[in-house]
Amino acid sequence: SQQGEEDPQALSIQEGENATMNCSYKTSINNLQWYRQNSGRGLVHLILIRSNEREKHSGRLRVTLDTSKKSSSLLITASRAADTASYFCATDGRDDKIIFGKGTRLHILP
Amino acid sequence: DTEVTQTPKHLVMGMTNKKSLKCEQHMGHRAMYWYKQKAKKPPELMFVYSYEKLSINESVPSRFSPECPNSSLLNLHLHALQPEDSALYLCASSRLLQQRANEKLFFGSGTQLSVL
Repeated sequence: SQQGEEDPQALSIQEGENATMNCSYKTSINNLQWYRQNSGRGLVHLILIRSNEREKHSGRLRVTLDTSKKSSSLLITASRAADTASYFCATDGRDDKIIFGKGTRLHILP
Repeated sequence: DTEVTQTPKHLVMGMTNKKSLKCEQHMGHRAMYWYKQKAKKPPELMFVYSYEKLSINESVPSRFSPECPNSSLLNLHLHALQPEDSALYLCASSRLLQQRANEKLFFGSGTQLSVL
């Protein structure tokens, strides 16, 4: 069953601009993760944020978590062509499973 | 070594064939996973192994048969597949079994499977 849902489904921006994508989820979570997937490749873990954290940074990535709104956002600053990928949030489901959201397809225009 | 290696990268098989997908990691991870991913969709969990024992089977059809011969290897045996089974099959590992999504998943590059 789907837990996280990303928004927007697809996003195209100019290189150098910031990209923001959102993840909403339905039930309470303990942890939320973000992953990147280049076309036809495996997923790469980006950031894990715990339910008691509000914000986390990693290089050009900034993740926020608002448990009252059941949502998280991923901000990529100063985007580059190499950031073109699909981005998935993942939350805890039942029975120790990770449930992936539908993903946002990000396209960076030159 | 922080890699998960999957072979083969591409596989084309007929509906009567038997084939196997292989996955290997040398990070000392004790949980290993198989996911299936259709184009433009999120990965869907198939199987989870923890300490070489099957922990989760997401009601996957018996034409998919997982095997974990040791802590570094994970296989997925395929037999009598259907065209709708064509997908990207991803292997992943984590240090330990997930508890409330607290473990990072390390993914291989996947096997792109086409069933004719």
